[in-house]
Amino acid sequence: SQELEQSPQSLIVQEGKNLTINCTSSKTLYGLYWYKQKYGEGLIFLMMLQKGGEEKSHEKITAKLDEKKQQSSLHITASQPSHAGIYLCGAEISGGYQKVTFGTGTKLQVIP
Amino acid sequence: NAGVTQTPKFQVLKTGQSMTLQCAQDMNHEYMSWYRQDPGMGLRLIHYSVGAGITDQGEVPNGYNVSRSTTEDFPLRLLSAAPSQTSVYFCASSYDLTGANNYGYTFGSGTRLTVV
Repeated sequence: SQELEQSPQSLIVQEGKNLTINCTSSKTLYGLYWYKQKYGEGLIFLMMLQKGGEEKSHEKITAKLDEKKQQSSLHITASQPSHAGIYLCGAEISGGYQKVTFGTGTKLQVIP
Repeated sequence: NAGVTQTPKFQVLKTGQSMTLQCAQDMNHEYMSWYRQDPGMGLRLIHYSVGAGITDQGEVPNGYNVSRSTTEDFPLRLLSAAPSQTSVYFCASSYDLTGANNYGYTFGSGTRLTVV
């Protein structure tokens, strides 16, 4: 079973609409990363959250880590075609060896 | 700075062939890792290294070898390619294990490998 579950798996929204992607773990997250990937390209780092309740924003993208540090959400406001791609969450789940585990990704399409 | 450079970008192998995927970073990062990305599976860790001369297995290490003779390079070797190794491979590096420098992990652009 996947240690990090992302939902939804895919999303099609109309330009200008808001959307939210969730990343859930059954274990405590020690550092949660959000990445964006365009088809055929590498991953682009968006932001990192470490503290329970932490929230960060970059342009129209906001990410939050809940108080219990077991779920994160990525919210895009007024989506644009440039937001299209695959969004991946990654986290250090086991504090011992600090290896990053990734979710399965959420494919976002934005229709003009 | 080039960041993380992976070569080749594309490769087709026949079953049983061996090859090395190259990964180099010029950021003096201590931590480097290899992932494979498959549809519906996300990114899975193959091997990682916390510094020159130190490597360890990740989630799916079978069929792959790595070495870290320098800080800059972290090649991934496929010993005897199998169709199950058809995937997109990503190399990543970070300044420290936690990515606490707030730049997270820097990824290469990937190598698309097909084994026929």
